[in-house]
Amino acid sequence: GNSVTQMEGPVTLSEEAFLTINCTYTATGYPSLFWYVQYPGEGLQLLLKATKADDKGSNKGFEATYRKETTSFHLEKGSVQVSDSAVYFCALIHGSSNTGKLIFGQGTTLQVKP
Amino acid sequence: GAGVSQTPSNKVTEKGKYVELRCDPISGHTALYWYRQSLGQGPEFLIYFQGTGAADDSGLPNDRFFAVRPEGSVSTLKIQRTERGDSAVYLCASSFGAGLETQYFGPGTRLLVL
Repeated sequence: GNSVTQMEGPVTLSEEAFLTINCTYTATGYPSLFWYVQYPGEGLQLLLKATKADDKGSNKGFEATYRKETTSFHLEKGSVQVSDSAVYFCALIHGSSNTGKLIFGQGTTLQVKP
Repeated sequence: GAGVSQTPSNKVTEKGKYVELRCDPISGHTALYWYRQSLGQGPEFLIYFQGTGAADDSGLPNDRFFAVRPEGSVSTLKIQRTERGDSAVYLCASSFGAGLETQYFGPGTRLLVL
């Protein structure tokens, strides 16, 4: 079946460090891929998305490239800030889905220290 | 404008009791989703409504779970004969349409079954 696997957390970085959070997926066909973020005390919100192979999603300095050959969608940011501390979820919607059913990974907690 | 709201924010109940969880979607959003998030896990899909009808209920774990959206706006998730394993955060999301439209999540209802 369709699934998403993320790197184990927590990830602890110093401010201005480079961030990578790995995400790989298993799916038939051509899924759309997403990163959602949950800041402390807030609801899940969409961070970025990519809907086809080689697309790059970007937002708030974060980027992720849809790599079909490695079935990956790793999240990167060149210089993290304390305000980026949150839980990050990688997710997919199956290519044949017309319902928008999201399949999430288990989440990766990021803690950025000043 | 107002986001997705969910009530109550916390619910403590005893094993075997009945509970109702409410979701108020963003006005004008025709698609509504329920997800369940267990501790340390990503959200898991439960059910999707398009308008008043449940278009996909494949994620409901068993027949103790039921959801309605009688007027195509507010939705209620109903759990009968609650079990300790039902303890989780129940998330609601809405979107303007289905498919790849951005889903906007509410803050969740934290259910604890004693």
